[in-house]
Amino acid sequence: SAVISQKPSRDICQRGTSLTIQCQVDSQVTMMFWYRQQPGQSLTLIATANQGSEATYESGFVIDKFPISRPNLTFSTLTVSNMSPEDSSIYLCSVTTWNTEAFFGQGTRLTVV
Amino acid sequence: AQSVAQPEDQVNVAEGNPLTVKCTYSVSGNPYLFWYVQYPNRGLQFLLKYITGDNLVKGSYGFEAEFNKSQTSFHLKKPSALVSDSALYFCAVRDVGGDSWGKFQFGAGTQVVVTP
Repeated sequence: SAVISQKPSRDICQRGTSLTIQCQVDSQVTMMFWYRQQPGQSLTLIATANQGSEATYESGFVIDKFPISRPNLTFSTLTVSNMSPEDSSIYLCSVTTWNTEAFFGQGTRLTVV
Repeated sequence: AQSVAQPEDQVNVAEGNPLTVKCTYSVSGNPYLFWYVQYPNRGLQFLLKYITGDNLVKGSYGFEAEFNKSQTSFHLKKPSALVSDSALYFCAVRDVGGDSWGKFQFGAGTQVVVTP
């Protein structure tokens, strides 16, 4: 299993500002992902965080809005840029390896006012 | 593309009664299927998975799920529900090939309400 520390756990931000969310894993993992969960909805994959290279974004998500870094196999950051109220969501970091389940951080609950 | 469907937005059950949360899947090859639970203000907690082997999979907190290939289903079950089982449950399928390897697709979620 993997233990994921994600911070901040929650934040209230002004529109137009940016927030960087950190994800730290207690072991080296192959795959690391960032998800968004809008209120009352399911999880939507934002991007795959690739170690040492640019992240791979899903349809509807772009690097300018959600820049991601992954400098090593245990750490990643997601930035939500130029925030608007529509960005209010829970953001979740997730990791997995070859044929295991996905492990999740506790999430970051973001409210944009 | 792989996907899962959870046909029920909410399931209501009395404490002590059997609980079933439904999930059907659509995959192009062998399915890797998972169930997760989410409590309020918490991340997702893994319950169980099916990758290969016995069709009846046992998991955490007394939950089990039955893989049915002919019906493409993976329903979550618990013989006797507890009030503390009230939470949001997600079925998920994992991509196992190509550029999507490792990605998880989640169902819409089913809210379980267990009444005393």
